[in-house]
Amino acid sequence: QQQVKQSPQSLIVQKGGISIINCAYENTAFDYFPWYQQFPGKGPALLIAIRPDVSEKKEGRFTISFNKSAKQFSLHIMDSQPGDSATYFCAASIRGGSYIPTFGRGTSLIVHP
Amino acid sequence: SAVISQKPSRDICQRGTSLTIQCQVDSQVTMMFWYRQQPGQSLTLIATANQGSEATYESGFVIDKFPISRPNLTFSTLTVSNMSPEDSSIYLCSVVLRTSGTNTGELFFGEGSRLTVL
Repeated sequence: QQQVKQSPQSLIVQKGGISIINCAYENTAFDYFPWYQQFPGKGPALLIAIRPDVSEKKEGRFTISFNKSAKQFSLHIMDSQPGDSATYFCAASIRGGSYIPTFGRGTSLIVHP
Repeated sequence: SAVISQKPSRDICQRGTSLTIQCQVDSQVTMMFWYRQQPGQSLTLIATANQGSEATYESGFVIDKFPISRPNLTFSTLTVSNMSPEDSSIYLCSVVLRTSGTNTGELFFGEGSRLTVL
């Protein structure tokens, strides 16, 4: 049973556009929601993360929106750039536990110049 | 942050052989994990590497196939034993960083070891 559902599987956006990736979770005990970015040939790297006591977190062009009642969170990439082309994974974990995250299936983002 | 070095970065192996992947971290960490990432797929946790004791394996992974060692807080190895083409994958070492006695919650990953089994 997949506990974190991520969509879409792939996304193509024009340069300057907005990229939106959505995730939904089932376990209400999750209290840490990171997004990881992975470039080809590299390991994933933390991009941005949110805790459920806030509804939005913004870092530069990247924003996480969090809806606790709907058990959903999303990543918005504003003014998408070709350098943003990568695979994005959402995840969820429990801070008081082992910190082992449950990952979504990933979204392959391509930003055309 | 943590810098994680994995060796080898890639290898091509014959069916039936075994390969050991090394993971070295530049700081002491509380938790180390091994993940598998098949082409175009998500990250699947193989096991948690426990210092000085047997690793904790996830469902579907067993010690005989994926023996893991962790002799200290900064080093771990994963062996892929009796390999078959289905083991062709990227194997990733990851850690949770300890900061002032508390976990940050952030996973740091190595660049991975890309394994091809013929």
